[in-house]
Amino acid sequence: NAGVTQTPKFRILKIGQSMTLQCTQDMNHNYMYWYRQDPGMGLKLIYYSVGAGITDKGEVPNGYNVSRSTTEDFPLRLELAAPSQTSVYFCASSWAGGTGELFFGEGSRLTVL
Amino acid sequence: AQKITQTQPGMFVQEKEAVTLDCTYDTSDQSYGLFWYKQPSSGEMIFLIYQGSYDEQNATEGRYSLNFQKARKSANLVISASQLGDSAMYFCAMRDRNVGGALIFGKGTTLSVSS
Repeated sequence: NAGVTQTPKFRILKIGQSMTLQCTQDMNHNYMYWYRQDPGMGLKLIYYSVGAGITDKGEVPNGYNVSRSTTEDFPLRLELAAPSQTSVYFCASSWAGGTGELFFGEGSRLTVL
Repeated sequence: AQKITQTQPGMFVQEKEAVTLDCTYDTSDQSYGLFWYKQPSSGEMIFLIYQGSYDEQNATEGRYSLNFQKARKSANLVISASQLGDSAMYFCAMRDRNVGGALIFGKGTTLSVSS
């Protein structure tokens, strides 16, 4: 059972480039989330989804987009990368929206130069 | 909106000692849950323990226990008999129904265990 899988694990981007962080879960979870973590800080919510076809903004959505065409996949798109988007990105999923823990991917470390 | 406060940026403890990591929270919900996660230097997020607001007993998981004081809105993590492998960042969190049940995290506490 793979759980939550994120790719790539590491990526270096130039300013202005675009990329997609992939996230797949095989637990049939309806709820999925994207977070970013800056050095020495807690995780901040970028976007979330409560089911296929439904997405909404979190605390720090600017510069990002998401889609949720299937239950399994929740890709995060970075458009026109900026140095401020240098961070570690975590994808997570859960069974329900109010109880139970979130299951996290291993993280994707992105550097924008 | 939910809010989590962790006021200890860093804590230092010797092996085999117990340590308490502080967490206070704010919510207007009657039903809620508190979570603790561990993040070692390798970066992954590891779920440690959960406490529901209506649970009568404090949660325990092995060497981890949660000192839950509802009236004071605190949910402190107690690690007994610290080990070198406990050195990590620890996050307190709670789910927020306003953002699809996402976990809202505190800033974390870095625990360093020495021999």
